[in-house]
Amino acid sequence: GQQVQQSPASLVLQEGENAELQCNFSTSLNSMQWFYQRPGGSLVSLFYNPSGTKHSGRLTSTTVIKERRSSLHISSSQTTDSGTYLCALVYNAGAKLTFGGGTRLTVRP
Amino acid sequence: EAAVTQSPRNKVAVTGGKVTLSCNQTNNHNNMYWYRQDTGHGLRLIHYSYGAGSTEKGDIPDGYKASRPSQENFSLILELATPSQTSVYFCASGDVGGRGTGQLYFGEGSKLTVL
Repeated sequence: GQQVQQSPASLVLQEGENAELQCNFSTSLNSMQWFYQRPGGSLVSLFYNPSGTKHSGRLTSTTVIKERRSSLHISSSQTTDSGTYLCALVYNAGAKLTFGGGTRLTVRP
Repeated sequence: EAAVTQSPRNKVAVTGGKVTLSCNQTNNHNNMYWYRQDTGHGLRLIHYSYGAGSTEKGDIPDGYKASRPSQENFSLILELATPSQTSVYFCASGDVGGRGTGQLYFGEGSKLTVL
């Protein structure tokens, strides 16, 4: 089946530091989607990124299909960024997603 | 903003009992999904649907049935609940196909405990 590996599994930052989260996949895809999940909560879509680089505020997503990887960069982290970040490989003409294991981010004041 | 609503949000069931988790979306999306989330396993796809009357098996369908009676509603049914089905269940609708964005929109989750 589809394989999605996320790293690191957990990350602790001081407020103001930057973070780089990685997602590697083993097969072809239609796109990569990044989600944020607050503790005990639902998932919120951050980026739907089939290739290239997308920006949203302090967040940047880059997907490089040939290298089978996607990254999420968080700049100038804030305590409210704490939570779990999930990447999902979108395939089957967009009908299915396979999720990575997530990166648990803690930002300390 | 796309809206996906799940019910119940919390459920305690007994082993062997029947459990139905309901999901309603007001996005007019064709695709809907049921996932479960467990520590150590992440999010895993149970069933999904391409539209009213359609149900498809996901990656872990055993022990679960699904029903899509209308565009808006998608249910997950556990005919004989077991403790291994204790989990948090998420429903999602997808803006996929055609000129869709491909994004998924998730509900708030339903926490199921099977004793």
